[in-house]
Amino acid sequence: ETGVTQTPRHLVMGMTNKKSLKCEQHLGHNAMYWYKQSAKKPLELMFVYNFKEQTENNSVPSRFSPECPNSSHLFLHLHTLQPEDSALYLCASSQDTRRNTEAFFGQGTRLTVV
Amino acid sequence: AQSVTQLGSHVSVSEGALVLLRCNYSSSVPPYLFWYVQYPNQGLQLLLKYTSAATLVKGINGFEAEFKKSETSFHLTKPSAHMSDAAEYFCAVSDSSYKLIFGSGTRLLVRP
Repeated sequence: ETGVTQTPRHLVMGMTNKKSLKCEQHLGHNAMYWYKQSAKKPLELMFVYNFKEQTENNSVPSRFSPECPNSSHLFLHLHTLQPEDSALYLCASSQDTRRNTEAFFGQGTRLTVV
Repeated sequence: AQSVTQLGSHVSVSEGALVLLRCNYSSSVPPYLFWYVQYPNQGLQLLLKYTSAATLVKGINGFEAEFKKSETSFHLTKPSAHMSDAAEYFCAVSDSSYKLIFGSGTRLLVRP
């Protein structure tokens, strides 16, 4: 399998649940990202990992907890979410974090919080 | 600070007609600019990028974009629209570190 793969593709969870989103990249990249895409809003960068180290937390609430065990895998642990957290969560990777390096995106996880 | 403005949340063209999607940017450093496309229920796919080489950049699927510094623009064009081009298109600028700042997107509708 090639590219960036996200699982699950769809997730419905209650506000008291705990769930995790998984992202895996097979591109040999060193940087990985989580983005949130809400309706009628620009994509929001949430977290950045470079060589497994978190280099960016874009003021994300603590109910979102990222984990990057190695350069190929990235998780987003979710707990006590709110309905406004319903969105498409996109994972991306890039070779490095230089400005001219493009990001490759997964297909996303459509999250619905009920 | 960097920002991106995409004029027109929806653009509708007839099949075979010219596609023009507008993007204007603001950047305090020489910009790196990107166009991405998102098909329904999919992630984003890179169409093309500008990284200070040629000002006319050719991408995949027959798209191209021209960097115009004087107009702070990076509009996306395609001479002849296909039904398969219907999607949402995002312009992005890389800020002074490495973060991509995205515009709000333009949904392209292609009429038969």
